[in-house]
Amino acid sequence: ETGVTQSPTHLIKTRGQQVTLRCSSQSGHNTVSWYQQALGQGPQFIFQYYREEENGRGNFPPRFSGLQFPNYSSELNVNALELDDSALYLCASSQNRGLDEKLFFGSGTQLSVL
Amino acid sequence: EDQVTQSPEALRLQEGESSSLNCSYTVSGLRGLFWYRQDPGKGPEFLFTLYSAGEEKEKERLKATLTKKESFLHITAPKPEDSATYLCAVQASGGGADGLTFGKGTHLIIQP
Repeated sequence: ETGVTQSPTHLIKTRGQQVTLRCSSQSGHNTVSWYQQALGQGPQFIFQYYREEENGRGNFPPRFSGLQFPNYSSELNVNALELDDSALYLCASSQNRGLDEKLFFGSGTQLSVL
Repeated sequence: EDQVTQSPEALRLQEGESSSLNCSYTVSGLRGLFWYRQDPGKGPEFLFTLYSAGEEKEKERLKATLTKKESFLHITAPKPEDSATYLCAVQASGGGADGLTFGKGTHLIIQP
């Protein structure tokens, strides 16, 4: 059984650029959630995808968007990067649209915006 | 708005010195309260889910309890490998689509 894998592990971008982060969910999981974790903070919910549809969204602007593919892998896209977007981006997979929120997290992508 | 407050922010203990971490929450109907452990450079790792006041769960040296307003994570005779940040999170009864609301965590250091 493979766990949740994220790529890349680290990324440096400049303000105004666009970035795409990738996530492969754990085998058998059909739901993917994305979280943003700033330094010294707890993770903040960005959105969740279930069977390729956005199933819920936190308090993040539309420049944060996502996709889920038929194999349940997922992408997080961020446009017009801002300095405050610097954070650890975590992907988590689960079953049943997150009704059982035993989330399995990847190790994250550390994004630095300069 | 759902809120989770964890205390203390940081805690340093000697090996074998038991203690408790606190998680206070306000939520519009609690579906579940979750404890996760996060090691540096890693994603959070699931520990427990608690659903109703009075519920308790144990795993090795850890025991989680729940009341209507707070949860405690008790650590008994901790070892250096228990050093980590412990995160508390809540899910509202609206279901999974709103995600989890996390606290900032308690950074726990166990000294040999």
